[in-house]
Amino acid sequence: DSGVTQTPKHLITATGQRVTLRCSPRSGDLSVYWYQQSLDQGLQFLIQYYNGEERAKGNILERFSAQQFPDLHSELNLSSLELGDSALYFCASSAGQGGYNSPLHFGNGTRLTVT
Amino acid sequence: SQQGEEDPQALSIQEGENATMNCSYKTSINNLQWYRQNSGRGLVHLILIRSNEREKHSGRLRVTLDTSKKSSSLLITASRAADTASYFCATVLPAGAGSYQLTFGKGTKLSVIP
Repeated sequence: DSGVTQTPKHLITATGQRVTLRCSPRSGDLSVYWYQQSLDQGLQFLIQYYNGEERAKGNILERFSAQQFPDLHSELNLSSLELGDSALYFCASSAGQGGYNSPLHFGNGTRLTVT
Repeated sequence: SQQGEEDPQALSIQEGENATMNCSYKTSINNLQWYRQNSGRGLVHLILIRSNEREKHSGRLRVTLDTSKKSSSLLITASRAADTASYFCATVLPAGAGSYQLTFGKGTKLSVIP
């Protein structure tokens, strides 16, 4: 068990809808990372937060947004969903600020299916 | 964008055999990490090797790093059926504005046949 909790585990929704994915990081970790994993694109970095502030941004679409709250949990909001957004969305956490000298701890992901 | 590329894409071996997976990358690195992913689950960190290290061991895992060739290898000795998973190498790329992202390759899918 990595200590990172993601909810829900599965989400099925229709095109055009909006969903929120939730992540609780490992106790003591201040950084939260969001990744998208699909068969064709592999594992893509979306965004990182450190202690409530956005630290790094990757290939995150404008339809997607995220935030990290004072209690350090994070939410990833996906709106105007398209079929191509169907993927596994992972949250990871680490103690560091994003220098990557310590490992990332991943949750078990939220599987999003857009129909 | 992908930095690390694993090779082979898929590997099938008998239990007890050794499995070797390779990773090539393009830019200079501070460290390289290997992760494992069981089907449909989150990634699990295996080993981090720094750029000034050439070899690192952890149990049945041995990782080598050759910065001159920009490559790394992961060796799993005496494989078990439970080692069946996908294995990813990860390196750090700039993410703009002085920040960085940990970038993963597409992975090697290892099947260990009992």
